[in-house]
Amino acid sequence: GDSVTQMEGPVTLSEEAFLTINCTYTATGYPSLFWYVQYPGEGLQLLLKATKADDKGSNKGFEATYRKETTSFHLEKGSVQVSDSAVYFCALITQGGSEKLVFGKGTKLTVNP
Amino acid sequence: NAGVTQTPKFQVLKTGQSMTLQCAQDMNHNSMYWYRQDPGMGLRLIYYSASEGTTDKGEVPNGYNVSRLNKREFSLRLESAAPSQTSVYFCASTKTGVRLNQPQHFGDGTRLSIL
Repeated sequence: GDSVTQMEGPVTLSEEAFLTINCTYTATGYPSLFWYVQYPGEGLQLLLKATKADDKGSNKGFEATYRKETTSFHLEKGSVQVSDSAVYFCALITQGGSEKLVFGKGTKLTVNP
Repeated sequence: NAGVTQTPKFQVLKTGQSMTLQCAQDMNHNSMYWYRQDPGMGLRLIYYSASEGTTDKGEVPNGYNVSRLNKREFSLRLESAAPSQTSVYFCASTKTGVRLNQPQHFGDGTRLSIL
């Protein structure tokens, strides 16, 4: 079945450091890919998405590129801030499939001043 | 902007008790979902409703029932709570369904403990 694998956390960085959170996927169809963010005590929010190969999703300084050849969708940010501390989830949905959005297990990021 | 509202925010139950988690959205969305979030497991889909009047099982439906009361409301019921159902429960909605790349809008969650 479809699955998403994220790098295990927690990840701890200093402010202004470069961030990469790895995400790879397995899908039977041709998926759309998403990154969601969960701030403490809140529900998940869509951060960015990409719906076809080589698409780049971006939002709030975060970027991720849909790489079909490596089945990856790594999240990057050039300079993190304390306010970026949160749990990040990679997710996919297979086009034409069911309504089941498949999530990775989440990666907790802590940014220290 | 209310978005997705879940009640209650916290609840403690004894094994065998029943309860209903409430969810309402004010965005005129067609599709609604219930997830549970457990440490190290990410989010797992319990049930979803693609439109008013329909419900379908997700990945982990056992021990739960749902009701799509109307377009706005989608409730989750635990008939006989078990300690394994201790979790954080999230309700979400989308306008036309995730298959069409619509983002899900999440509530703030219900933290449920079963003793």
